[in-house]
Amino acid sequence: GESVGLHLPTLSVQEGDNSIINCAYSNSASDYFIWYKQESGKGPQFIIDIRSNMDKRQGQRVTVLLNKTVKHLSLQIAATQPGDSAVYFCAERGLTGGGNKLTFGTGTQLKVEL
Amino acid sequence: DAGVTQSPTHLIKTRGQQVTLRCSPKSGHDTVSWYQQALGQGPQFIFQYYEEEERQRGNFPDRFSGHQFPNYSSELNVNALLLGDSALYLCASSLQGAREQYFGPGTRLTVT
Repeated sequence: GESVGLHLPTLSVQEGDNSIINCAYSNSASDYFIWYKQESGKGPQFIIDIRSNMDKRQGQRVTVLLNKTVKHLSLQIAATQPGDSAVYFCAERGLTGGGNKLTFGTGTQLKVEL
Repeated sequence: DAGVTQSPTHLIKTRGQQVTLRCSPKSGHDTVSWYQQALGQGPQFIFQYYEEEERQRGNFPDRFSGHQFPNYSSELNVNALLLGDSALYLCASSLQGAREQYFGPGTRLTVT
């Protein structure tokens, strides 16, 4: 069946350091893998995505890496800031059935220490 | 330009009751998806509406139903509420087939 899981429930980093959040997936049929950020009391916010035929994609201070061999996804945040504190979810998009259903993992809490 | 809006913000219901949650998509979006997020968990897909029809459904019982209106807004209905239905209900909108979905702030439902 489909599942997206995360390795660590909580990650604490010092302000200014780089953060790496990992995720494992099991559905090889997904066409996009997506990272969302969810702050307390808010809905998930899109950060960056990567198409399944790519290995790496960079955004502003964020990089997503996809390793299809081991079905592993990671989000790297450079120079982590206090505003980055949130729960981060990886999600995969499946196009079966004509829709764009997202399957989320359980999330990683990122805590930025001053 | 308003993003995705949901109402109400919070809701408290008793077991066995029925509830209706509402969602207005981001301007220009025609597809609405609903997700249930239990505390400490990732969102779980309930169903998706496009052209006023349910296009895709997750693993949720028939007690969960929905509707999409001609203006693309949507409702989520839950009948015979159970304690386990307590969660944050998220609405996400997109253009049909687009990879990016925009989420609303959610409705916090508490069933007592």
